[in-house]
Amino acid sequence: QVTLRESGPALVKPTQPLTLTCTFSGLSLSTRGVSVNWIRQPPGKALEWLALVDWDDDKFYSTSLKTRLAISKNISKNQVVLTMTNMDPVDTATYYCVKGTYYDGLDVWGQGTTVTVSS
Amino acid sequence: DIQLTQSPSLMSASVGDRVTITCRVSQDISNYVAWYQQKPGKAPKLLIYRVSALHSWVPSRFSGGGSGSEFTLTISSLQPEDFATYYCQQLNTFPHTFGQGTKLEIK
Repeated sequence: QVTLRESGPALVKPTQPLTLTCTFSGLSLSTRGVSVNWIRQPPGKALEWLALVDWDDDKFYSTSLKTRLAISKNISKNQVVLTMTNMDPVDTATYYCVKGTYYDGLDVWGQGTTVTVSS
Repeated sequence: DIQLTQSPSLMSASVGDRVTITCRVSQDISNYVAWYQQKPGKAPKLLIYRVSALHSWVPSRFSGGGSGSEFTLTISSLQPEDFATYYCQQLNTFPHTFGQGTKLEIK
């Protein structure tokens, strides 16, 4: 059974960075075709795709946010880390860590972690 | 970025109705479109991938179709548990953009 769990601060001050950790089990991020994605959803709004790291350590980012995002993986710890710099109140959202298989959609979602940006 | 436009944004329907949600895309995405269902306070769940392939948990009243610039999600006979918000996503080109969502409400 594949599970993913997000962890990180619930509250971040404006201009500070956000670091989120996704800890997974039951999947190998060394298996061809497997990726871990970060998706966010502001309150009452739509899903927004943020970033992906795949089995081959390729990394892809949202166009509008790519200057602020960094994604990395630690295979030995079964973790993927997302860092977002210069947080703003508009970044207040639920952030999801999600397993993907290339072209076949995002098939296993974490429960999400809510991040509020406020002074 | 590839833009995905869902219509309608809000739909009211009754149990037993047949409903179709449309996702229009701004560029060619081959057949790499997926659909998700999200209920309030929950993470989305994958429904359909590669236009028409149903995920393992999905009942057969759900179907996906389309090609080119227009893709559809159809529910043949709405059940009470189907009232939710639905999103399409393209996985052909990075970034893997989502549509804005369609909220399906009980009439």
